[in-house]
Amino acid sequence: KAGVTQTPRYLIKTRGQQVTLSCSPISGHRSVSWYQQTPGQGLQFLFEYFSETQRNKGNFPGRFSGRQFSNSRSEMNVSTLELGDSALYLCASSVPGQGNTDTQYFGPGTRLTVL
Amino acid sequence: DQQVKQNSPSLSVQEGRISILNCDYTNSMFDYFLWYKKYPAEGPTFLISISSIKDKNEDGRFTVFLNKSAKHLSLHIVPSQPGDSAVYFCAAKSNFGNEKLTFGTGTRLTIIP
Repeated sequence: KAGVTQTPRYLIKTRGQQVTLSCSPISGHRSVSWYQQTPGQGLQFLFEYFSETQRNKGNFPGRFSGRQFSNSRSEMNVSTLELGDSALYLCASSVPGQGNTDTQYFGPGTRLTVL
Repeated sequence: DQQVKQNSPSLSVQEGRISILNCDYTNSMFDYFLWYKKYPAEGPTFLISISSIKDKNEDGRFTVFLNKSAKHLSLHIVPSQPGDSAVYFCAAKSNFGNEKLTFGTGTRLTIIP
């Protein structure tokens, strides 16, 4: 099976712009989660989508939003970019519904740089 | 509030010896724990997991130990190999959190040949 894919891999934007990142989960996986990784902060949970519905949300401002399509592909949008949004954005997919022991599989991430 | 803590940012171990990475958590609702390995420019790769009903899980060179009373888990790698050099993250889930993973800040493991 193909793994989780994320596009683009690298992105450079300026403050105030908006950006959309894309994630294609592993075939058959219906849950997609997004994380932000910054130096010293580890991975911070952004949100999780399942069956086109946001099931869980982390502590990020409303500038961060997402959606999931019927084919389970997901997009994440950040509006009014700030310098502090520079980070590696990771997407992970899993097959939920088997209890709490589902494993999330990560994509390679999108490296966003805000100038 | 860091609910999952990895207090050692880095660790160096001689090739062939045992690497022990530690992780502490504060949330007693966590009941499933995972270790991920991350190389630069790649996403985290799942290594091994353990449910709170167990205190040990083994997979080849990797063993995870869970001490629920101390809210502590550790990952043992033996013998350590140069390809094990990476950043290791421990993560936790609670049965009320859906798929949300709470991660530690990572430990950079360097295996010295």
